[in-house]
Amino acid sequence: TQLLEQSPQFLSIQEGENLTVYCNSSSVFSSLQWYRQEPGEGPVLLVTVVTGGEVKKLKRLTFQFGDARKDSSLHITAAQPGDTGLYLCAGAMDSNYQLIWGAGTKLIIKP
Amino acid sequence: DSGVTQTPKHLITATGQRVTLRCSPRSGDLSVYWYQQSLDQGLQFLIQYYNGEERAKGNILERFSAQQFPDLHSELNLSSLELGDSALYFCASSFHGAGSTDTQYFGPGTRLTVL
Repeated sequence: TQLLEQSPQFLSIQEGENLTVYCNSSSVFSSLQWYRQEPGEGPVLLVTVVTGGEVKKLKRLTFQFGDARKDSSLHITAAQPGDTGLYLCAGAMDSNYQLIWGAGTKLIIKP
Repeated sequence: DSGVTQTPKHLITATGQRVTLRCSPRSGDLSVYWYQQSLDQGLQFLIQYYNGEERAKGNILERFSAQQFPDLHSELNLSSLELGDSALYFCASSFHGAGSTDTQYFGPGTRLTVL
Protein backbone atom coordinates (compact mmCIF):
# COMPACT_ATOMS: atom_id res chain seq x y z
CA THR A 1 0.00 0.00 0.00
CA GLN A 2 1.43 3.34 -1.10
CA LEU A 3 1.06 5.79 1.79
CA LEU A 4 1.87 8.75 -0.46
CA GLU A 5 0.15 8.92 -3.84
CA GLN A 6 1.60 11.26 -6.43
CA SER A 7 -0.32 12.46 -9.44
CA PRO A 8 -0.03 12.61 -12.30
CA GLN A 9 2.54 9.89 -12.78
CA PHE A 10 3.68 11.50 -16.02
CA LEU A 11 3.27 14.97 -17.47
CA SER A 12 4.59 16.38 -20.72
CA ILE A 13 3.88 20.03 -21.53
CA GLN A 14 5.21 22.88 -23.61
CA GLU A 15 7.63 25.47 -22.32
CA GLY A 16 5.80 28.43 -20.80
CA GLU A 17 2.79 26.51 -19.50
CA ASN A 18 1.83 26.21 -15.85
CA LEU A 19 1.39 22.91 -14.05
CA THR A 20 0.53 21.44 -10.68
CA VAL A 21 1.52 18.07 -9.29
CA TYR A 22 0.01 16.52 -6.21
CA CYS A 23 1.08 14.40 -3.29
CA ASN A 24 -1.80 12.89 -1.31
CA SER A 25 -2.21 10.63 1.68
CA SER A 26 -4.75 9.52 4.24
CA SER A 27 -2.03 9.78 6.88
CA VAL A 28 -0.87 12.85 8.74
CA PHE A 29 2.74 13.87 8.36
CA SER A 30 4.82 16.07 10.62
CA SER A 31 6.62 17.42 7.58
CA LEU A 32 6.79 16.87 3.87
CA GLN A 33 9.68 17.28 1.50
CA TRP A 34 9.88 17.69 -2.26
CA TYR A 35 12.87 16.45 -4.23
CA ARG A 36 13.81 16.71 -7.89
CA GLN A 37 15.81 13.98 -9.58
CA GLU A 38 17.46 14.42 -12.95
CA PRO A 39 18.37 11.40 -15.10
CA GLY A 40 21.44 9.58 -13.83
CA GLU A 41 21.64 11.57 -10.62
CA GLY A 42 20.39 11.34 -7.06
CA PRO A 43 17.38 13.32 -5.80
CA VAL A 44 18.03 16.85 -4.58
CA LEU A 45 15.92 18.46 -1.88
CA LEU A 46 13.85 21.43 -3.08
CA VAL A 47 11.85 22.32 0.02
CA THR A 48 10.56 21.11 3.39
CA VAL A 49 7.13 22.18 4.62
CA VAL A 50 6.22 21.63 8.25
CA THR A 51 3.11 23.67 9.11
CA GLY A 52 -0.42 22.91 7.93
CA GLY A 53 -1.41 25.47 5.30
CA GLU A 54 2.17 26.56 4.76
CA VAL A 55 3.12 27.98 1.37
CA LYS A 56 6.72 28.26 0.25
CA LYS A 57 7.97 29.81 -2.95
CA LEU A 58 11.19 29.01 -4.72
CA LYS A 59 11.41 31.27 -7.79
CA ARG A 60 8.75 29.85 -10.17
CA LEU A 61 7.94 26.92 -7.87
CA THR A 62 5.21 27.19 -5.22
CA PHE A 63 4.81 24.46 -2.62
CA GLN A 64 1.78 24.11 -0.38
CA PHE A 65 1.18 21.83 2.59
CA GLY A 66 -2.46 20.99 3.23
CA ASP A 67 -4.19 22.33 6.32
CA ALA A 68 -4.55 18.81 7.71
CA ARG A 69 -0.94 17.93 6.81
CA LYS A 70 -2.09 15.00 4.68
CA ASP A 71 -1.34 16.40 1.24
CA SER A 72 0.86 18.78 -0.66
CA SER A 73 1.09 20.36 -4.08
CA LEU A 74 3.82 21.77 -6.26
CA HIS A 75 2.88 24.44 -8.78
CA ILE A 76 5.31 25.53 -11.48
CA THR A 77 4.70 28.76 -13.33
CA ALA A 78 6.00 29.27 -16.87
CA ALA A 79 7.73 25.90 -17.00
CA GLN A 80 11.14 25.72 -18.63
CA PRO A 81 13.04 22.76 -20.12
CA GLY A 82 15.38 22.90 -17.12
CA ASP A 83 12.43 21.90 -14.91
CA THR A 84 12.40 18.47 -16.55
CA GLY A 85 12.90 15.67 -14.06
CA LEU A 86 11.32 13.28 -11.61
CA TYR A 87 9.60 15.09 -8.75
CA LEU A 88 9.36 13.08 -5.55
CA CYS A 89 7.54 13.89 -2.35
CA ALA A 90 8.52 12.32 0.95
CA GLY A 91 6.72 12.58 4.25
CA ALA A 92 7.96 12.21 7.79
CA MET A 93 5.91 10.84 10.67
CA ASP A 94 6.83 11.54 14.25
CA SER A 95 6.62 7.83 15.06
CA ASN A 96 9.12 6.78 12.42
CA TYR A 97 12.67 7.68 11.62
CA GLN A 98 12.32 6.96 7.93
CA LEU A 99 10.76 9.08 5.22
CA ILE A 100 7.75 7.70 3.35
CA TRP A 101 8.30 8.24 -0.38
CA GLY A 102 5.84 8.76 -3.19
CA ALA A 103 6.44 7.07 -6.55
CA GLY A 104 7.13 10.39 -8.27
CA THR A 105 5.85 12.51 -11.12
CA LYS A 106 7.93 12.40 -14.27
CA LEU A 107 7.83 15.87 -15.82
CA ILE A 108 8.99 16.70 -19.33
CA ILE A 109 9.03 20.30 -20.54
CA LYS A 110 9.32 20.55 -24.30
CA PRO A 111 11.04 23.61 -25.81
CA ASP B 1 28.02 17.84 -5.50
CA SER B 2 26.16 16.58 -2.42
CA GLY B 3 29.30 15.47 -0.59
CA VAL B 4 28.11 11.85 -0.56
CA THR B 5 30.29 9.49 -2.55
CA GLN B 6 29.37 6.09 -3.89
CA THR B 7 31.51 3.47 -5.56
CA PRO B 8 31.46 1.93 -8.00
CA LYS B 9 29.40 4.05 -10.39
CA HIS B 10 28.56 1.09 -12.60
CA LEU B 11 28.60 -2.61 -11.87
CA ILE B 12 27.83 -5.45 -14.25
CA THR B 13 27.68 -8.96 -12.91
CA ALA B 14 25.98 -12.32 -13.42
CA THR B 15 23.09 -14.00 -11.69
CA GLY B 16 24.05 -15.80 -8.51
CA GLN B 17 26.98 -13.52 -7.79
CA ARG B 18 27.61 -11.27 -4.81
CA VAL B 19 28.55 -7.59 -4.91
CA THR B 20 29.37 -4.87 -2.42
CA LEU B 21 28.38 -1.25 -2.86
CA ARG B 22 30.18 1.40 -0.86
CA CYS B 23 29.04 4.78 0.44
CA SER B 24 30.84 7.59 2.23
CA PRO B 25 28.50 10.09 3.89
CA ARG B 26 28.92 13.86 3.97
CA SER B 27 31.42 15.03 6.53
CA GLY B 28 29.65 15.29 9.89
CA ASP B 29 26.59 13.25 8.93
CA LEU B 30 25.88 10.33 11.23
CA SER B 31 23.11 8.58 9.38
CA VAL B 32 23.24 6.60 6.15
CA TYR B 33 20.28 5.38 4.12
CA TRP B 34 20.17 2.90 1.26
CA TYR B 35 17.55 3.02 -1.49
CA GLN B 36 16.78 0.96 -4.57
CA GLN B 37 15.33 2.60 -7.68
CA SER B 38 14.21 0.45 -10.58
CA LEU B 39 13.69 1.87 -14.06
CA ASP B 40 11.32 4.84 -14.02
CA GLN B 41 10.23 4.11 -10.48
CA GLY B 42 10.35 5.95 -7.21
CA LEU B 43 12.69 5.17 -4.38
CA GLN B 44 12.33 2.03 -2.33
CA PHE B 45 13.80 2.47 1.12
CA LEU B 46 16.01 -0.46 2.11
CA ILE B 47 17.73 0.31 5.40
CA GLN B 48 19.06 3.10 7.62
CA TYR B 49 22.03 3.21 9.96
CA TYR B 50 22.77 5.85 12.57
CA ASN B 51 26.21 6.10 14.09
CA GLY B 52 26.97 2.46 13.39
CA GLU B 53 23.67 0.95 14.44
CA GLU B 54 20.69 -0.13 12.40
CA ARG B 55 17.86 2.35 12.94
CA ALA B 56 15.15 1.45 10.44
CA LYS B 57 14.49 -1.33 7.97
CA GLY B 58 12.37 -1.12 4.87
CA ASN B 59 11.74 -3.57 2.06
CA ILE B 60 15.17 -5.14 2.18
CA LEU B 61 15.47 -8.71 0.96
CA GLU B 62 17.13 -11.34 3.14
CA ARG B 63 19.76 -11.71 0.39
CA PHE B 64 20.79 -8.11 1.05
CA SER B 65 22.66 -6.86 4.07
CA ALA B 66 24.36 -3.66 5.11
CA GLN B 67 26.55 -2.24 7.79
CA GLN B 68 27.98 1.08 8.89
CA PHE B 69 31.57 1.13 10.05
CA PRO B 70 33.20 3.18 12.85
CA ASP B 71 34.40 5.75 10.31
CA LEU B 72 30.68 6.04 9.28
CA HIS B 73 31.08 4.74 5.76
CA SER B 74 28.59 2.07 4.82
CA GLU B 75 28.47 -0.98 2.61
CA LEU B 76 25.48 -2.70 1.04
CA ASN B 77 26.03 -6.34 0.23
CA LEU B 78 23.84 -8.00 -2.38
CA SER B 79 24.11 -11.77 -2.75
CA SER B 80 22.60 -14.52 -4.91
CA LEU B 81 21.83 -11.83 -7.42
CA GLU B 82 18.80 -12.14 -9.67
CA LEU B 83 17.90 -10.32 -12.87
CA GLY B 84 15.31 -8.32 -10.95
CA ASP B 85 17.99 -6.83 -8.73
CA SER B 86 19.18 -4.69 -11.64
CA ALA B 87 18.54 -1.13 -10.50
CA LEU B 88 20.07 2.10 -9.33
CA TYR B 89 21.16 1.93 -5.71
CA PHE B 90 21.38 5.23 -3.89
CA CYS B 91 22.98 6.08 -0.64
CA ALA B 92 21.93 9.18 1.27
CA SER B 93 23.22 10.72 4.44
CA SER B 94 21.83 13.09 7.03
CA PHE B 95 23.00 14.57 10.28
CA HIS B 96 20.27 13.62 12.73
CA GLY B 97 18.80 10.49 11.24
CA ALA B 98 15.33 11.50 12.36
CA GLY B 99 12.74 12.23 9.73
CA SER B 100 10.91 15.36 10.68
CA THR B 101 12.99 18.10 9.11
CA ASP B 102 16.20 16.22 8.52
CA THR B 103 17.60 16.68 5.03
CA GLN B 104 18.87 13.66 3.19
CA TYR B 105 21.73 14.27 0.77
CA PHE B 106 21.97 11.72 -1.98
CA GLY B 107 25.00 10.28 -3.67
CA PRO B 108 25.23 9.81 -7.44
CA GLY B 109 24.16 6.18 -7.22
CA THR B 110 25.52 2.84 -8.34
CA ARG B 111 23.94 1.34 -11.43
CA LEU B 112 23.83 -2.44 -11.02
CA THR B 113 23.19 -4.62 -14.04
CA VAL B 114 22.68 -8.33 -13.48
CA LEU B 115 22.99 -10.42 -16.65
